[in-house]
Amino acid sequence: DQQVKQNSPSLSVQEGRISILNCDYTNSMFDYFLWYKKYPAEGPTFLISISSIKDKNEDGRFTVFLNKSAKHLSLHIVPSQPGDSAVYFCAARDGNQFYFGTGTSLTVIP
Amino acid sequence: DAMVIQNPRYQVTQFGKPVTLSCSQTLNHNVMYWYQQKSSQAPKLLFHYYDKDFNNEADTPDNFQSRRPNTSFCFLDIRSPGLGDAAMYLCATSRDRTSNQPQHFGDGTRLSIL
Repeated sequence: DQQVKQNSPSLSVQEGRISILNCDYTNSMFDYFLWYKKYPAEGPTFLISISSIKDKNEDGRFTVFLNKSAKHLSLHIVPSQPGDSAVYFCAARDGNQFYFGTGTSLTVIP
Repeated sequence: DAMVIQNPRYQVTQFGKPVTLSCSQTLNHNVMYWYQQKSSQAPKLLFHYYDKDFNNEADTPDNFQSRRPNTSFCFLDIRSPGLGDAAMYLCATSRDRTSNQPQHFGDGTRLSIL
């Protein structure tokens, strides 16, 4: 049973525009949420995270939003750049375990 | 400057022939994790070590074992690989299990079964 879901397998965005990646979860015990970025032939790299006590965290061009009532997490990238083209995984923690989504492949078109 | 190193990057083994995958870390993190990821699927946690404490996930097959001889190294042993075990295996580390610190991943080992 997938506790973290990324329902969009892929997303294409023009360079300079906003990319919005979405993630839904079912477990109300999740207390820490993360986004990872993965290039081909490399492991996932940590991008940004948010604690369940917050609803927004910003780091440069990347902002993560958490809506606990909707059990929804989103990552905003603005402005998008071609180098942002990668697979993005959301993850959430319950106790000792991290649960991952299946990833969204972002393509930023120059 | 690699912090979590997995060897080899690609491993081919025969059906039923034992195989060992290796992970080392320079971060001095207490926790080391092994994930299995199949194509278009989410990484699935197999087990983790918190220091020397081994924590197996309930649905991890007995065919998968792990060893952590010291803080820096962790091994994944597959005793009798089947065709369904072909996947990417990811090693990750974290400082501990409860603080809000991310996991750091290696680049993975892609395992193929002939």
